[in-house]
Amino acid sequence: TQLLEQSPQFLSIQEGENLTVYCNSSSVFSSLQWYRQEPGEGPVLLVTVVTGGEVKKLKRLTFQFGDARKDSSLHITAAQPGDTGLYLCAGVNTGGFKTIFGAGTRLFVKA
Amino acid sequence: NAGVMQNPRHLVRRRGQEARLRCSPMKGHSHVYWYRQLPEEGLKFMVYLQKENIIDESGMPKERFSAEFPKEGPSILRIQQVVRGDSAAYFCASSPPVTGTAQGSPLHFGNGTRLTVT
Repeated sequence: TQLLEQSPQFLSIQEGENLTVYCNSSSVFSSLQWYRQEPGEGPVLLVTVVTGGEVKKLKRLTFQFGDARKDSSLHITAAQPGDTGLYLCAGVNTGGFKTIFGAGTRLFVKA
Repeated sequence: NAGVMQNPRHLVRRRGQEARLRCSPMKGHSHVYWYRQLPEEGLKFMVYLQKENIIDESGMPKERFSAEFPKEGPSILRIQQVVRGDSAAYFCASSPPVTGTAQGSPLHFGNGTRLTVT
């Protein structure tokens, strides 16, 4: 069974601070996706990383895929209250047929 | 361009009743996924369907749960004889045809159906 573990589960920080969220697995995935979910809504895709060691930037968000394609991290620089939400990593298995989600990191950024 | 539409948004059922959750995928998307989410938790994969075919139902309980995606009309997730433990948010996602490349297609989610069993 493929599992994705996210840490921390919950993070409460002040506006302007930096943070890193981790997503780890013992399984190799063909790609990893990061989604953000707000209360009462479905998750929305932020980024897909495909190549081991790949780094992608989305404004203040930096995503990295581990060299062995088993783990990923999301770094947010100078967090803002608008970043508050549930961040989910999702691994796509070989062949791209099934997407498995981690339990999520709930981020709260205080003004 | 309408996104993934799920209805109803909220559904209340008494124990023993049936729940039918509907999902209309994005235009042009032929793949549908159903996920279940409990409060403060991530998404648990239930089933993956293409038109008229169930591709992977490994996450769906063998009893009381069924899913279909007919040639015409929305995908339906059906829960028979609901119990309190079935209370959760059920999300549907759709994607364009998987090309067989390593990347996989990004999932487009609806806003979910919140099922409450009383």
